[in-house]
Amino acid sequence: ETGVTQTPRHLVMGMTNKKSLKCEQHLGHNAMYWYKQSAKKPLELMFVYNFKEQTENNSVPSRFSPECPNSSHLFLHLHTLQPEDSALYLCASSQRQIRVNEQFFGPGTRLTVL
Amino acid sequence: KQEVTQIPAALSVPEGENLVLNCSFTDSAIYNLQWFRQDPGKGLTSLLLIQSSQREQTSGRLNASLDKSSGRSTLYIAASQPGDSATYLCAVRNSGGGADGLTFGKGTHLIIQP
Repeated sequence: ETGVTQTPRHLVMGMTNKKSLKCEQHLGHNAMYWYKQSAKKPLELMFVYNFKEQTENNSVPSRFSPECPNSSHLFLHLHTLQPEDSALYLCASSQRQIRVNEQFFGPGTRLTVL
Repeated sequence: KQEVTQIPAALSVPEGENLVLNCSFTDSAIYNLQWFRQDPGKGLTSLLLIQSSQREQTSGRLNASLDKSSGRSTLYIAASQPGDSATYLCAVRNSGGGADGLTFGKGTHLIIQP
């Protein structure tokens, strides 16, 4: 595996379900990100992790719970979601430096909440 | 709050034409600006990253410029090809508060007609 991988690629869940999205980066980076892409809206930053520590939470509802056990893996735990949470969830990683910090994205998980 | 605007929202041109995509941002205090390409249902592919101290970057038929003081960037695509058809996204990394996340525009949906 190379780059940034995400599983599953597609997920359909009911509002009472609990599911998790997984992201893995094979680039040796030290920062990881979750973004949400909804129809007709710009990509929105959700969470940022640097060296496994959460450094940004962009006012995300508590029904989204991130976890970063190490610098290569990032999870997004989902529970009691709403239909408006249906979107493409993208993971990214970067080598955190002041000036560069180029971000590389995974293919995304297409989530549908029924 | 940083806002990123991309014009036009959609563009359709015949193959072989040179074209320019525009991006503007409201807060000039940025570390860098990144241009991405997104194919339907896929993740983002990084095309070019311009640091705040740079004026332009080139990669093959792509050239991106940055005028930080006026809050503008352009992506120039030379000799367009049908394979260039995709959505092009502009994103900035703000320099305040140590934030690492990117702020995105809504994108320009580009179609190159064979």
